[in-house]
Amino acid sequence: DVKVTQSSRYLVKRTGEKVFLECVQDMDHENMFWYRQDPGLGLRLIYFSYDVKMKEKGDIPEGYSVSREKKERFSLILESASTNQTSMYLCASSISGTGNEKLFFGSGTQLSVL
Amino acid sequence: DAKTTQPTSMDCAEGRAANLPCNHSTISGNEYVYWYRQIHSQGPQYIIHGLKNNETNEMASLIITEDRKSSTLILPHATLRDTAVYYCIVRVDGGSQGNLIFGKGTKLSVKP
Repeated sequence: DVKVTQSSRYLVKRTGEKVFLECVQDMDHENMFWYRQDPGLGLRLIYFSYDVKMKEKGDIPEGYSVSREKKERFSLILESASTNQTSMYLCASSISGTGNEKLFFGSGTQLSVL
Repeated sequence: DAKTTQPTSMDCAEGRAANLPCNHSTISGNEYVYWYRQIHSQGPQYIIHGLKNNETNEMASLIITEDRKSSTLILPHATLRDTAVYYCIVRVDGGSQGNLIFGKGTKLSVKP
């Protein structure tokens, strides 16, 4: 089975801190994604990547950046954390190609910014 | 991608079939129907997808009406562990996968 691992299940940070959320997948998937999930708003795409060193903005990239130096790892960076970035963060990966595009998600990181 | 409409919540008795409906009346000819579920405090999990024909896998069956304006996800023998929010999504195959719009889904409660 595909495994998408997020480094932390729960994280508490202070306003203004630089925060790194790490995600690793073990199935050699080309595509990786970062979402945030908030009550009443569903899942919203922050950034995604279709290849190493490549990144694309999603629907809500402001306040975030990403890094993909290796195929298996996709990091989400909060340059200066703010309280409105308190959320559940979900990483996902998928294989490229058509007809069989399933997203595999990690268990999520619940981030609280105080 | 077309929008979907799902009931907010449903109950099902353990061991019985759970039938979750989804309306997608504006679906285009090249849009697939995908189903995911999210168990509390976990990430969403892929269940099944289809285009025109009915599909079955080890988790569920997907029935798509002939006009493709609606579909039903069937869990044949629901267990307590199937309690989750179920999302129906339609999207163009090969399109930007990251733009999956999950919506609010149906909260399925399986009761003993």
